[in-house]
Amino acid sequence: AQSVTQLGSHVSVSEGALVLLRCNYSSSVPPYLFWYVQYPNQGLQLLLKYTSAATLVKGINGFEAEFKKSETSFHLTKPSAHMSDAAEYFCAVSASNFNKFYFGSGTKLNVKP
Amino acid sequence: GAGVSQSPSNKVTEKGKDVELRCDPISGHTALYWYRQSLGQGLEFLIYFQGNSAPDKSGLPSDRFSAERTGGSVSTLTIQRTQQEDSAVYLCASSPGTGFVTGELFFGEGSRLTVL
Repeated sequence: AQSVTQLGSHVSVSEGALVLLRCNYSSSVPPYLFWYVQYPNQGLQLLLKYTSAATLVKGINGFEAEFKKSETSFHLTKPSAHMSDAAEYFCAVSASNFNKFYFGSGTKLNVKP
Repeated sequence: GAGVSQSPSNKVTEKGKDVELRCDPISGHTALYWYRQSLGQGLEFLIYFQGNSAPDKSGLPSDRFSAERTGGSVSTLTIQRTQQEDSAVYLCASSPGTGFVTGELFFGEGSRLTVL
């Protein structure tokens, strides 16, 4: 079975500050891990993904995430927040057959000027 | 089409009525997924199609929910005898399929269902 836990339903940072969104997963098989972003009134779009290659994954808009098997974590970071980063972020896990993706409950990121 | 298209974008219905939600995936995508997004909750898996077949229906919450896909393209999610707890945003996503190991889901903007 697979599941995802996102700590913090709301995170608020100042513009220019570090963004850290936490994701922990549970998987009985080697996982594939994803971060999706949902901007207001838009559909979800892929931010980045881990598919067993490099453990540090770079995505769009300056975001990156590191797969840490020992911690079962896949936290999302960005060195410097921008106002345009305000959105809801979802972590997801899937097995290799991609039959089902399990999503976390989401973290809403607020960026203060 | 260029992206995943869902209709209607908004649906308000009365308790007990049936509703149909439509998803038109990206052309050529063989995998199609339905999710439900309720206020304050994550995405709840409903059903997955590979072509026209649905190998995994485990997420459908009750027998009032059903889905079909025809011609390996358009999918319809039907909710019979709607209840207030069915109010949510229903999201459809498509993917090139398991033969393409990208793992990326392409989402539509969703159908917001409100049951009065």
